[in-house]
Amino acid sequence: QVQLVQSGAEVKRPGASVKVSCKASGYTFNSYFINWVRQAPGQGLEWMGWISGYNGNTKYAQKFQGRVTMTIDTSTSTAYMELRSLKSDDTAVYHCAKERVSFTITAGFDTWGQGTLVTVSS
Amino acid sequence: QSALTQPASVSGSPGQSITISCTGTPRDVGGYNYVSWYQHHPGKAPKLVIFDVSNRPSEVSYRFSGSKSGSTASLTISGLQTEDEADYYCNSYTTSGTVIFGGGTHLTVL
Repeated sequence: QVQLVQSGAEVKRPGASVKVSCKASGYTFNSYFINWVRQAPGQGLEWMGWISGYNGNTKYAQKFQGRVTMTIDTSTSTAYMELRSLKSDDTAVYHCAKERVSFTITAGFDTWGQGTLVTVSS
Repeated sequence: QSALTQPASVSGSPGQSITISCTGTPRDVGGYNYVSWYQHHPGKAPKLVIFDVSNRPSEVSYRFSGSKSGSTASLTISGLQTEDEADYYCNSYTTSGTVIFGGGTHLTVL
């Protein structure tokens, strides 16, 4: 079955970086976009960006431009999201989510990773 | 870009119907038929319940339906059940090639 499995929880100091992984299985990785979405405590879902599983092209939300980098490793069907210069309000659960339609962005995310809690605290 | 506008909360009794609105602009909801809705129970991954404005994944109950008029999309849940109590989010593709979510609506089934 289609599955996205993310790396485990992280605790980071302010100013540090975090890199979250998302390993895909059960579908053709390079045919679909992967999105990253986060949810801070008590807040709603926030889209961070997408990356093409085909060629690694990316699009980031303006809020995260310059601070986020999304990459893929097609040999292991894994997507990565690195966030730098962490602040306390980056404390959130970070999800990867697979686009529903191949080679297209439709904002329909049909499969989600289980989430990775990133805690930023001094 | 600001989030799409959703009511913070709605409520209904078992068996009733409720509708959640999602208001955007011509640059997102009004410009494309790429609006989706998600059900989110705390501690679990969000679940896609409507895609492309009004289409339902095969595993989702027929009680869930979606529509759009102008720059406002709507999710209707009929025959409310206790397990429908959750947070609901809309999202949309935008003219910038990005995706934007709504602020979320908490559904209480009384």
